[in-house]
Amino acid sequence: KNEVEQSPQNLTAQEGEFITINCSYSVGISALHWLQQHPGGGIVSLFMLSSGKKKHGRLIATINIQEKHSSLHITASHPRDSAVYICAVTGNQFYFGTGTSLTVIP
Amino acid sequence: DVKVTQSSRYLVKRTGEKVFLECVQDMDHENMFWYRQDPGLGLRLIYFSYDVKMKEKGDIPEGYSVSREKKERFSLILESASTNQTSMYLCASSLWTGPWGTEAFFGQGTRLTVV
Repeated sequence: KNEVEQSPQNLTAQEGEFITINCSYSVGISALHWLQQHPGGGIVSLFMLSSGKKKHGRLIATINIQEKHSSLHITASHPRDSAVYICAVTGNQFYFGTGTSLTVIP
Repeated sequence: DVKVTQSSRYLVKRTGEKVFLECVQDMDHENMFWYRQDPGLGLRLIYFSYDVKMKEKGDIPEGYSVSREKKERFSLILESASTNQTSMYLCASSLWTGPWGTEAFFGQGTRLTVV
């Protein structure tokens, strides 16, 4: 049983496309995180949010607490966005999704 | 700038060896974590520590131990490495602001291969 489910698992897009990655969770949370992992392993935190919407450059994250759902959007995608995007929630502990592998083709 | 540093990016060890993975953070964070990441399974918590000399088992502690003698350093120990411990190991730290509070900061990962 996965407390955090992401979709899709794999995504290939053409440069410039609008991308959406979805995350659903089943536990009570205090915050939801979107993480980015590039080839080689290092993980960076993109967003932490507990309500509403946040925007950093071309990245937008939204969360609907009632529906237990979050989305990560990438506008005007670029090959450097190619990475694994991981959704994680914090309640009593961290719960991680298995990640969405994004490839953006020039 | 926030930093979590893992001592090695790539490591190859033989079955039966004792293996030490080191993690250092420079943010004075109370909480530190060790995860392993495997394809299709995501990140799984091995051990965590919320203070010096304190440790708690995570979801998959078998075959591992940890040490936290100083606040900034959290070590993961494979007492006798086995091939099923071949994996990516990630260290993280976070600041206590409530129930598992704020952002976690991750190291670059150590890809361990046991042969």
